[in-house]
Amino acid sequence: AQKITQTQPGMFVQEKEAVTLDCTYDTSDPSYGLFWYKQPSSGEMIFLIYQGSYDQQNATEGRYSLNFQKARKSANLVISASQLGDSAMYFCAMREGPLTGGGNKLTFGTGTQLKVEL
Amino acid sequence: DTGVSQDPRHKITKRGQNVTFRCDPISEHNRLYWYRQTLGQGPEFLTYFQNEAQLEKSRLLSDRFSAERPKGSFSTLEIQRTEQGDSAMYLCASSLSRADNEQFFGPGTRLTVL
Repeated sequence: AQKITQTQPGMFVQEKEAVTLDCTYDTSDPSYGLFWYKQPSSGEMIFLIYQGSYDQQNATEGRYSLNFQKARKSANLVISASQLGDSAMYFCAMREGPLTGGGNKLTFGTGTQLKVEL
Repeated sequence: DTGVSQDPRHKITKRGQNVTFRCDPISEHNRLYWYRQTLGQGPEFLTYFQNEAQLEKSRLLSDRFSAERPKGSFSTLEIQRTEQGDSAMYLCASSLSRADNEQFFGPGTRLTVL
């Protein structure tokens, strides 16, 4: 089974609108972390937001928020007030195991290509 | 610039040649990761170091791949006898072990094997 599933290969949104990018995950580890990264056409992975499995509140970072539904194993990214510069590939990723443990490698989904239109 | 840097940014080589990539992490970061990203896919974990110790290697890392981090600072990834299937973006990331909720990525090295 895929550990990270992103079912939207491509999304379009109008400038200034909000958009939700879907991510579901699969793990049996009670301690894990969920990440969203943005990858513009230049190729660099830009960290956006992080949610720990034991965090009580949904993470927010500026215009980014993570809609964490633990029972559904979903961690959707919400971008508010979309801007043209938000056009990029977006990846959801998971770290399994406690934050202070070893490893902490990330497992990525296949990404969602977001296009912001005027 | 104090971010993660990678060199070279692009490498074109012929099948069978050896290539070596370098990654310089953020200076105080003790963890360093290598990932590989092929077209249309998310990055896949290859290996990671804590200081100079290589603590985990993916099954993706065949015997032709070797990585080092000799003094716990920069790292190199070498691919011997390259194959066309090695064509990909090779990404390096670094983090602090006490704050591994954020891995900072470099710009990547794009390898093309002809």
